[in-house]
Amino acid sequence: QVQLVQSGAEVKKPGSSVKVSCKASGGTLVNNAISWVRQAPGQGLEWMGGFVPIFGSAKYAQRFQGRLTIVADESTDTVYMELSSLTFEDTAFYYCARGQFPYPTWHESWGQGTLVTVSS
Amino acid sequence: EIVMTQSPVTLSVSPGERATLSCRASQSIASNVAWYQQKPGQPPRLLIYGASTRATGVPARFSGSGSGAEFTLTITSLRSEDFAVYYCQQYNDWPPLTFGGGTRVEI
Repeated sequence: QVQLVQSGAEVKKPGSSVKVSCKASGGTLVNNAISWVRQAPGQGLEWMGGFVPIFGSAKYAQRFQGRLTIVADESTDTVYMELSSLTFEDTAFYYCARGQFPYPTWHESWGQGTLVTVSS
Repeated sequence: EIVMTQSPVTLSVSPGERATLSCRASQSIASNVAWYQQKPGQPPRLLIYGASTRATGVPARFSGSGSGAEFTLTITSLRSEDFAVYYCQQYNDWPPLTFGGGTRVEI
């Protein structure tokens, strides 16, 4: 099974941006739909958006439109998630998750999670 | 946006008992639902997709059923390692993909 490896924890100030990477080990990444899912402390799972290979671009949840950017780098087989204009409410674990197809379905592999802490 | 509602929020069961978790969609989603298990400090783990197909390596005590807007995850003969939070997720209509709020299965 493909393993996803994410970049390390980040501490950011309000108003700044964070960029998290997701790379596959033991398989390819960018030929499959890759979602970014976040989980605030003690809360449930929230889909933020994802890279959709059949479109060659990302799709986003409405609430993150305008401050979320997801890009796939085919040369390094890495997917990046950048969230801007951070607020305290963006403190959460951020997961990348890989689907089985080039369009969003279920998520068969998950990264280990990246904790993003927004603190002044 | 399709809203996924899980019930109950918390389910208290004893080891060896059966647990039945429910997930309701705000509109018909055919069989396009997945179930995940999450333990503290870990990412979610895929259990079921297509409403009833077990993912690779998932024990047979986990089963999924339902179609349309009503879905059920059943865990027969609960073991200690099954105490966790369970989420359903629809992929019938996107964006966005949507998750239920989760059901905590506790002793």
